[in-house]
Amino acid sequence: AQKVTQAQTEISVVEKEDVTLDCVYETRDTTYYLFWYKQPPSGELVFLIRRNSFDEQNEISGRYSWNFQKSTSSFNFTITASQVVDSAVYFCALSEDTGGFKTIFGAGTRLFVKA
Amino acid sequence: GAVVSQHPSRVICKSGTSVKIECRSLDFQATTMFWYRQFPKQSLMLMATSNEGSKATYEQGVEKDKFLINHASLTLSTLTVTSAHPEDSSFYICSAGAATGYSNQPQHFGDGTRLSIL
Repeated sequence: AQKVTQAQTEISVVEKEDVTLDCVYETRDTTYYLFWYKQPPSGELVFLIRRNSFDEQNEISGRYSWNFQKSTSSFNFTITASQVVDSAVYFCALSEDTGGFKTIFGAGTRLFVKA
Repeated sequence: GAVVSQHPSRVICKSGTSVKIECRSLDFQATTMFWYRQFPKQSLMLMATSNEGSKATYEQGVEKDKFLINHASLTLSTLTVTSAHPEDSSFYICSAGAATGYSNQPQHFGDGTRLSIL
């Protein structure tokens, strides 16, 4: 069975601080996909990144970076020099090959960035 | 631009009313669509998997007679909340993907429907 754990319920930082959001997943599949989504107060889901299980390369996109470690089943997300506009709920998600690619979400981490 | 359109964005109606929510893939054919429900300050919980031309697959604990899903075409899935009650008030969001083989495209999500039952 697939499972996604985001242990941090809420994080509060001051603008310009770096912040890392943790994500740990469980799966029995060898082929799977990991995602991060941002959900601002308006409610829509904003896709941030997808990573497949065969690609452990870390990725950087502007102030965002992701660290995928299969050895620890983790897919952590770091925001560098945080900004107030980064305030949102961030979801880590997992999609399995054998699960018909249905996406299971973690509980989410609510990030507050204060000016 | 949006690749998945969800309509309506907000519904307020009286208890006992049935409400239909549409999810359309705009520029691709979606053999599979997913319906999620999100209660305030909670995560998205998968309700069901909608398969074009066949019956939906419901997750454990989701009443299939309460939440009717129809996926009659490759671009449209509908979720009908039948005889809605206040406890059905929630944020409903759909997603669609054209998964082929082992190539999984990121699931594209609609903007969600906020349902409020009075």
